[in-house]
Amino acid sequence: EVQLVESGGDSVQPGGSLRLSCAASGFTFSGYWMHWVRQVPGKGLVWVSRIKFDGTSIVYADSVKGRFTISRDNAKNTLYLQMNSLRAEDTAVYYCVRGVGNFGDWFDPWGQGTLVTVSS
Amino acid sequence: SYELTQSPSVSVSPGQTARITCSGDPLPKQYAYWYQQKPGQAPVLVIYKDTERPLEIPERFSGSSSGTTVTLTISGVQAEDEADYYCQSADSTGTSDVVFGGGTKLTVL
Repeated sequence: EVQLVESGGDSVQPGGSLRLSCAASGFTFSGYWMHWVRQVPGKGLVWVSRIKFDGTSIVYADSVKGRFTISRDNAKNTLYLQMNSLRAEDTAVYYCVRGVGNFGDWFDPWGQGTLVTVSS
Repeated sequence: SYELTQSPSVSVSPGQTARITCSGDPLPKQYAYWYQQKPGQAPVLVIYKDTERPLEIPERFSGSSSGTTVTLTISGVQAEDEADYYCQSADSTGTSDVVFGGGTKLTVL
């Protein structure tokens, strides 16, 4: 069974840092693009970042560029999101998703999500 | 970047057909994808590449495309189909943003 399990969500003060992890299992992790998508509770889905299967191509949404860093460890089947200089507007559930297709253009499956709360 | 526009809500009675639309300028050149999200759950892919349906998704879910608009059709709507539905697109280069529509709340009356 393909499974994605996020961890690392927490409550942090503005300006703080947090690292999210996503443990993948049930598929060849090193063969897939991976993404992070976030969702403010009660609001819509917002794409955050993507990373190519070998880590050689990375793209960020403008809203997180320069503050967030996506990375992966294919030996550990794990995806990461390092979040620095956190703002109140970064408060959301963060989903780890597997990208499907030649460029990982669609998402299947999704993890269960991990909640990040940025508040003083 | 670009936007994908969805109507905020659609309501249908059980057994009727629900049509949820998503509009955006790149859609004639880019595929669209659809996700279903029920309260408290992660989204689930229901349609990919405009019209393809994953094996585990019921046949009552279908997708179509015409010009700048893609449509998710749910035939014979069931109470369990009540959910938020999101369209999404990307330009198949791996070098640009992924975009989601704002979501449509499907209410089964």
